Amino acid sequence: KNEVEQSPQNLTAQEGEFITINCSYSVGISALHWLQQHPGGGIVSLFMLSSGKKKHGRLIATINIQEKHSSLHITASHPRDSAVYICAVRLYNNDMRFGAGTRLTVKP
Amino acid sequence: NAGVTQTPKFQVLKTGQSMTLQCAQDMNHNSMYWYRQDPGMGLRLIYYSASEGTTDKGEVPNGYNVSRLNKREFSLRLESAAPSQTSVYFCASSRVTETQYFGPGTRLLVL
Repeated sequence: KNEVEQSPQNLTAQEGEFITINCSYSVGISALHWLQQHPGGGIVSLFMLSSGKKKHGRLIATINIQEKHSSLHITASHPRDSAVYICAVRLYNNDMRFGAGTRLTVKP
Repeated sequence: NAGVTQTPKFQVLKTGQSMTLQCAQDMNHNSMYWYRQDPGMGLRLIYYSASEGTTDKGEVPNGYNVSRLNKREFSLRLESAAPSQTSVYFCASSRVTETQYFGPGTRLLVL
């Protein structure tokens, strides 16, 4: 079983829809990261969380440490949000573990 | 600022050949990382360097060596390349345990 599980694997939405991507992990962590990988392959860090909630523009990330669960929300989705979203956790020894990613397609 | 740069962008090797992937950052970050990304496997950490002069193994270090040459540069060496090392390699850097900044990646094909 992977230490970091993401759902769904694939997600197709219509422009304007509210999107949620989920991440569950089974190990102790010091922080959780959400990454975005564009179709061209470039990776951008969206959020780093150790507790609570963070917001940046239309993106919101939450984490529940007790339940070992995080969600990434996109409000008013747009075709330019189409990408692979990756959840990653930092272990206490600074090692990293990654989810397999969620491929999001937003149709106009 | 260039951020995180990687060279080369693409490389083809024959089995048994050696090569070094170079990574440099100009953000004065303490920590640097090497990852590989394979279809269906996601990203996996190969090695990381929490600070200049230190390196630690990640999830998949076998077949690789690293050198933290100075604060800016972190290289990844394949001494004897194998087809299983065909992958896309990403370097990243961060201030200790903060947000990571990724390089553009190196596509490596081992025949």
